[in-house]
Amino acid sequence: EPEVTQTPSHQVTQMGQEVILRCVPISNHLYFYWYRQILGQKVEFLVSFYNNEISEKSEIFDDQFSVERPDGSNFTLKIRSTKLEDSAMYFCASKAETQYFGPGTRLLVL
Amino acid sequence: AQKVTQAQTEISVVEKEDVTLDCVYETRDTTYYLFWYKQPPSGELVFLIRRNSFDEQNEISGRYSWNFQKSTSSFNFTITASQVVDSAVYFCALSDLNTGFQKLVFGTGTRLLVSP
Repeated sequence: EPEVTQTPSHQVTQMGQEVILRCVPISNHLYFYWYRQILGQKVEFLVSFYNNEISEKSEIFDDQFSVERPDGSNFTLKIRSTKLEDSAMYFCASKAETQYFGPGTRLLVL
Repeated sequence: AQKVTQAQTEISVVEKEDVTLDCVYETRDTTYYLFWYKQPPSGELVFLIRRNSFDEQNEISGRYSWNFQKSTSSFNFTITASQVVDSAVYFCALSDLNTGFQKLVFGTGTRLLVSP
């Protein structure tokens, strides 16, 4: 069964560093998403992406964040200058009719 | 604005008990989707069910059943004869049906602990 994959599974970085989280969506899906979940809290929408552009973004998704689909398979989330409060689990999702989630990347900012 | 409320923070049951997880939602949309996702201790989000607002029929899948009541804006989830493997956090979520983008709005989750 096709699935969404994410790399790395864990990332530790220093405050102020740039990180890139990678996702490979399910191949025939057209809609892509990033969500985050701060430890012990609910899952929050960050951004949706369709037809090579952002379709919607939340208040969390400020200028420090960007997304890209650099080729036909990868979908990336970049955080330019990480802050302590960016520590969270980041989930990628893709959708044909229903959103399926990847296993997540646990980001720890020190 | 859309909102999902899961008032039960944590529920503890003993194996083989039935358990119902509550979900109440708010939306101004007349058409929408409702979802349940399971997050086991390993952390991934596992899709369980999607219902659209047109269809209020209850659904059963093995030990799982869902009760959608538009009149009370609720979409409750029942696990019959719970098992230890059911231990997880369960999230209810809502999205609009009108656009293709359909971002998910999640509730805060209910942690279910099933003990042997």
